[in-house]
This record gives sequence, C-alpha cells and structure tokens, in this order.
Amino acid sequence: DSGVTQTPKHLITATGQRVTLRCSPRSGDLSVYWYQQSLDQGLQFLIQYYNGEERAKGNILERFSAQQFPDLHSELNLSSLELGDSALYFCASSVVGGGSTDTQYFGPGTRLTVL
Amino acid sequence: TQLLEQSPQFLSIQEGENLTVYCNSSSVFSSLQWYRQEPGEGPVLLVTVVTGGEVKKLKRLTFQFGDARKDSSLHITAAQPGDTGLYLCGGMRGSRLTFGEGTQLTVNP
Repeated sequence: DSGVTQTPKHLITATGQRVTLRCSPRSGDLSVYWYQQSLDQGLQFLIQYYNGEERAKGNILERFSAQQFPDLHSELNLSSLELGDSALYFCASSVVGGGSTDTQYFGPGTRLTVL
Repeated sequence: TQLLEQSPQFLSIQEGENLTVYCNSSSVFSSLQWYRQEPGEGPVLLVTVVTGGEVKKLKRLTFQFGDARKDSSLHITAAQPGDTGLYLCGGMRGSRLTFGEGTQLTVNP
C-alpha cells in the first residue's frame, strides 16, 4: 500500500460523457501527478500540481483538466470522452515535487472504459 | 518518438535463468528510476540511481546507471516466478518523470 488512494477503481461510461477521477496523496506529500497508461502508449505523464498550483504539463488533452484543492487532494476531469480515452489513470504523489531523488508513489489507478 | 527506449519489450524465461533489461536514451537525466508493476496495480519503485556509473543491488537485482547518465540496465540473477511483472524505467528531469514502454517479464516455474 503506497498511501495514495484513488477513486473509483473502475469506471464505465459512454462516449461524449464527462467523468471525474479523485486522488488523495500520501500524508505529507505536497505534489500530485497524473498519468495515463494505455497498451499502445505506455505510461504517459499528464500534469503535475504542487501545493495547489500547476507545476508541469505533459501530454494532456484540452478536453482534460485537473486541479489540486487546499487539502491537497486532486481531481482529474475528463470530458467529451472518446473510445481512445479508455485507459488506466494513475495518480502519484511526492514530497517536494521534483529533484533527482524525489520519489513518486503511485496509487492503484482508475480503470476507465469508454463504450 | 519515445524518449526512453526499453528492451526487450517482452521476455519469457525459465526459473533460475539470468536476464538483463536495458533502458536507453539520447537525453541526460538527473536520475533514473526503476519500477515494477503488477496487473491491476500501480508501479512500485525498486531503486533510484543518481550518479553516472552508479551500481545498486537489491537482493538478486542489480541496477546500473550509465557513465553519461543516459542509459541504465537491470540485471536479475536466478529469476523466480515472483519476479514476473512489468518493469518500467523512468528518467527524471526537473520534476518530470518520463517512462519507457516497459519490459513485460514472465518467469516460468
């Protein structure tokens, strides 16, 4: 158990819909990262927040958005869903949000299926 | 274009054999991290290597960071079925961790 929690574990929805994925970081961690893992793309970095502020952006689509709240939990919003958005979505957290020895701890993931 | 290339992508071996997984890039990283991921779970950190030429051992696993900090290898001695999983290397630059596509290892009893 990494200490990072993600809900829901599974999500099945239809194309065109909007969903929200939730992540609670490890106690004491200030930074949250979101990743997408699909069979053909591997583990792709989407976005990072540090203490409520966006710090880095990766391959995140405009239909996707995220935020980190004052209590440090984070939400990833996915809208106008397409079949290709079906994937595992992971949240990770770390203490300082960067640096060569900063360790990212991953949650168990949310499996999104778009039908 | 994948920033980090892992090879091989798939590896199926018998219990007791040795194996090496490679992680190569044309970019320099401040550190290289190796993770193992099991089905339905998130990746779990195995080791972080920071210094060029660094070698770290974790029981039967040996990790090496290239002198130029662009590549890394993971060597497993006397593999066991419990070593089965997806091995991911991740290169750290700033706050961003970029992953290779992974090596799916299957160790057959």
